[in-house]
Amino acid sequence: GQQLNQSPQSMFIQEGEDVSMNCTSSSIFNTWLWYKQDPGEGPVLLIALYKAGELTSNGRLTAQFGITRKDSFLNISASIPSDVGIYFCAGQAAGNKLTFGGGTRVLVKP
Amino acid sequence: NAGVTQTPKFQVLKTGQSMTLQCAQDMNHEYMSWYRQDPGMGLRLIHYSVGAGITDQGEVPNGYNVSRSTTEDFPLRLLSAAPSQTSVYFCASSPVYYSGYTFGSGTRLTVV
Repeated sequence: GQQLNQSPQSMFIQEGEDVSMNCTSSSIFNTWLWYKQDPGEGPVLLIALYKAGELTSNGRLTAQFGITRKDSFLNISASIPSDVGIYFCAGQAAGNKLTFGGGTRVLVKP
Repeated sequence: NAGVTQTPKFQVLKTGQSMTLQCAQDMNHEYMSWYRQDPGMGLRLIHYSVGAGITDQGEVPNGYNVSRSTTEDFPLRLLSAAPSQTSVYFCASSPVYYSGYTFGSGTRLTVV
């Protein structure tokens, strides 16, 4: 089946830093989605991307749909403590099914 | 607007027991899905539905059944619980296939 490789698996942030994470696949997707999951909650949609090359922002978050349609990245600018959580990418090929990456766990630097 | 409501929030089952995880949405969404999330992993699709009366298998369907008799409800049935089904289960819905899903807050299931 389709697989999404998400990296890094985890990262530490310091308040004010810009951070980025990405997602790659061997398959082409028509839609890329980025979700955030807080402890004990379901994932919440952050950004949806529908066209190759598309760059979309949502506040301090920016995501891009790769030109090859096999990758996407998410940037968080000026990190704040509430950015901590798990970020998932998800790709959607033809039809309805979403395939999720393994997640990037964002933690605060001690 | 309640969104996607899952019940129960927590459940402990003995091996071999059956149960139904409930999912209801009040947004008139056509598309609904069930995912499981294991520790440190992403979400894996169990079953999905593109409308009332239409369901299909996802990536990990074995041991689970679904039906969709109404637009609002999409219950997930565990036929004979096994320890390997210990997981967090999420239900999600979407108005169209490409717009991204709204997730419920999950059911945490432990099978002993």
